[in-house]
This record gives sequence, structure tokens and C-alpha cells, in this order.
Amino acid sequence: QQQVKQSPQSLIVQKGGISIINCAYENTAFDYFPWYQQFPGKGPALLIAIRPDVSEKKEGRFTISFNKSAKQFSLHIMDSQPGDSATYFCAAKKAGANNLFFGTGTRLTVIP
Amino acid sequence: DTGVSQNPRHKITKRGQNVTFRCDPISEHNRLYWYRQTLGQGPEFLTYFQNEAQLEKSRLLSDRFSAERPKGSFSTLEIQRTEQGDSAMYLCASTPAGLYNEQFFGPGTRLTVL
Repeated sequence: QQQVKQSPQSLIVQKGGISIINCAYENTAFDYFPWYQQFPGKGPALLIAIRPDVSEKKEGRFTISFNKSAKQFSLHIMDSQPGDSATYFCAAKKAGANNLFFGTGTRLTVIP
Repeated sequence: DTGVSQNPRHKITKRGQNVTFRCDPISEHNRLYWYRQTLGQGPEFLTYFQNEAQLEKSRLLSDRFSAERPKGSFSTLEIQRTEQGDSAMYLCASTPAGLYNEQFFGPGTRLTVL
């Protein structure tokens, strides 16, 4: 059973456009929601993370929007660049637990 | 490079052989995790160490899998009697004391079982 559902599976965006990736969860025990970026042949790298006590967090061109009542969160990449082309994973972690539950990933391609 | 390192980066083995992977976490990170990632999927949790103690194991970690972290530094993951279904990327991550949530991943070891 997939604890975190991610969509879309793949995304193509023009350079300079906005990339939006969505995730949904059911378990209200989750209290930490990170996004990871993974390039081919590399391990996932932490991009940005949010706690459920805030509705939005912004770091540079990357923004997480969090809707606690809908149990959804999304990653927005503003002014998308070809260098952003990678696979993005959302994840969630329960309070007091040690492991992350990952979504199935979104393969982003930014075309020049 | 002060990140998490993993060796080997690639391993090809025949079915039935034993393999061992090594993870060196970031210095002074006391928490260490192993995940498995198959093609087109997100990482799945295998096991967790705090210092040298293995505190949590996933149901994915069958009895053919064993992990150790002697002296609370590097960790090894051994798979005995490998099966083709074990083919995956094995990822190691670590977290520093005082930072509860952030997990920093290594580059992974890609295992191919023929």
C-alpha cells in the first residue's frame, strides 16, 4: 500500500515555466514532508521540507504548498531551468518514527 | 567530499552468491539508514541504526539480509544467497544528532543479480 501518492509520473515544462508536482497522504501521523531531487546514477538529495504547522515554505525558486485539511502537498518550481531536469520524490515521516515513506517519483524534463 | 559514501558503486553477481555493501556516513552522524530503490520507484526503508544499535528493521529485510554498524561508524549490508529480485539500488542515508528529520543520502550501490 502506497503511503504517499505522487502525480504526475512525468512532466515536461518549457524553460522559464512553472513545474508543479503533487502528493497526497492518508496517515495523519505524518508530521514531516520533504522533497528530494535525484539525478540519474545519484542518490536523492534533500531539496526542501515542511512541517504541517505552516501552509507554505519557499527557498529560492522552490516552494512547498501544504494543505493539512486536504492531506495534500505540492512542489512548485518557478522559472524552471534545464538543469532542474531530474526525478523528484515527495516523502513523509511519522512523528517519532525513523523511516521516510517515499512517493513513486516524477520525472521532470525542462526543455530549452 | 564530506558526504555519505558507498562502496562499491556497482556490483554484478550470480544468483546464489553473497554480496556485501559498505556505507560510510557523514562524520559524527549518529543515525544511519538503509533503503532499497527499484527502477521507477521511490526508496523503501530497510533498516535503521542509532550509533551501533540496530533499532528498526522493515519487513522487506528478509532473513537473507543482515546489516551491522560496528562501533557506530561505517555500516555493512550483506545479502546471502542472492536472488534476481534483489536487483536494485541500495541507498544509505545518515542524520546528525540533534537534527531528527533530515536524511542525507549517499550515491547508492547498484546491484544486478544475473
